[in-house]
Amino acid sequence: DGGITQSPKYLFRKEGQNVTLSCEQNLNHDAMYWYRQDPGQGLRLIYYSQIVNDFQKGDIAEGYSVSREKKESFPLTVTSAQKNPTAFYLCASSIGLGYGYTFGSGTRLTVV
Amino acid sequence: QKEVEQDPGPLSVPEGAIVSLNCTYSNSAFQYFMWYRQYSRKGPELLMYTYSSGNKEDGRFTAQVDKSSKYISLFIRDSQPSDSATYLCAMSAGAGQGGKLIFGQGTELSVKP
Repeated sequence: DGGITQSPKYLFRKEGQNVTLSCEQNLNHDAMYWYRQDPGQGLRLIYYSQIVNDFQKGDIAEGYSVSREKKESFPLTVTSAQKNPTAFYLCASSIGLGYGYTFGSGTRLTVV
Repeated sequence: QKEVEQDPGPLSVPEGAIVSLNCTYSNSAFQYFMWYRQYSRKGPELLMYTYSSGNKEDGRFTAQVDKSSKYISLFIRDSQPSDSATYLCAMSAGAGQGGKLIFGQGTELSVKP
């Protein structure tokens, strides 16, 4: 079955550490997105990519980095510069502009 | 002012009730409108998709878009406990915007047996 796989489901980060969240899709979608979800704040866009080797900052890109070396993969790195990284992170993809997203099941990141 | 406004609730209704969920928006360029359902600790799933103004029905769900008022609605008929979830509206201006969806805050719905 086609879909988006996010891993790990739960992730714990120590202060000062970088961590990478994985996102893989087999839907042959061109566009991929990373969102952060906090209680009471809805979904906020971190980064998005329309094609391989190209990506753009979203509304809250500071402290995050991404790469898009393959169409299927769009990993997100949460760097030590992100001061409040505890959140639920969602990866999504879409076939193109204006189409609905397919979301992964999310990664819950906690700073310990 | 946020581009998309949605009452976060929570909204509690008895089983069988008609539920009305709403969003308002400020960007007149939006032309793709969606509703997502998100169960606790899960990713959102696309429920309804509408292009431009009008109504769309799918089983117990009806989506309405009124572009003149910048207002969209989702109606759920004969609500069931399994409908208990957070409902997010989302919209996009399409080309030139990277296909980015702008999401509402989400409305938490609880349907009591």
